[in-house]
Amino acid sequence: NAGVTQTPKFRVLKTGQSMTLLCAQDMNHEYMYWYRQDPGMGLRLIHYSVGEGTTAKGEVPDGYNVSRLKKQNFLLGLESAAPSQTSVYFCASSRGRADTQYFGPGTRLTVL
Amino acid sequence: GQNIDQPTEMTATEGAIVQINCTYQTSGFNGLFWYQQHAGEAPTFLSYNVLDGLEEKGRFSSFLSRSKGYSYLLLKELQMKDSASYLCAVRDYSGGYQKVTFGTGTKLQVIP
Repeated sequence: NAGVTQTPKFRVLKTGQSMTLLCAQDMNHEYMYWYRQDPGMGLRLIHYSVGEGTTAKGEVPDGYNVSRLKKQNFLLGLESAAPSQTSVYFCASSRGRADTQYFGPGTRLTVL
Repeated sequence: GQNIDQPTEMTATEGAIVQINCTYQTSGFNGLFWYQQHAGEAPTFLSYNVLDGLEEKGRFSSFLSRSKGYSYLLLKELQMKDSASYLCAVRDYSGGYQKVTFGTGTKLQVIP
């Protein structure tokens, strides 16, 4: 039982490049989330999903897109990376909308 | 909206007791979580309170007072491995749905 996994663990991008972060969970959870964590800002919700094929915006959605084609996977895309998107990105999943969240190990992204 | 306040940093001595406070303001409170996050790692669930009072779980206890908008996490018999950030997260019900919002976290340093 791997829980929540994320790939890649580290990535460096140049401004304007695109990339996709992959999150996978094996707990059959309906809800999945993407957060970014910056010093002094805490965890901020980017987008979340309430089930396969359904996504919704969180607190800071601009510059990101998401997809949930399969229940176990939640993808976060950056179409044109900007230095302001340098951050640590965490994926999480939960059984219900406000149940305990289980987090992946994080992806450290640097945009130059 | 929500407003969650935690001290930014705390220092305590190995073997001692430390109390980490969290205050919040929300109109539709429906529970409070505490998470632990070691540097460079993902947050992990510690405790959940929805009713007033103290919940004890080994060396860790969490207290909630809904009328005061106040919670604390109590760590006893501190160990060096307890050095981490502690995140308070509030669940509330507003606009027809539930959501969880994280505080910025309290960085605890345990010294010998």
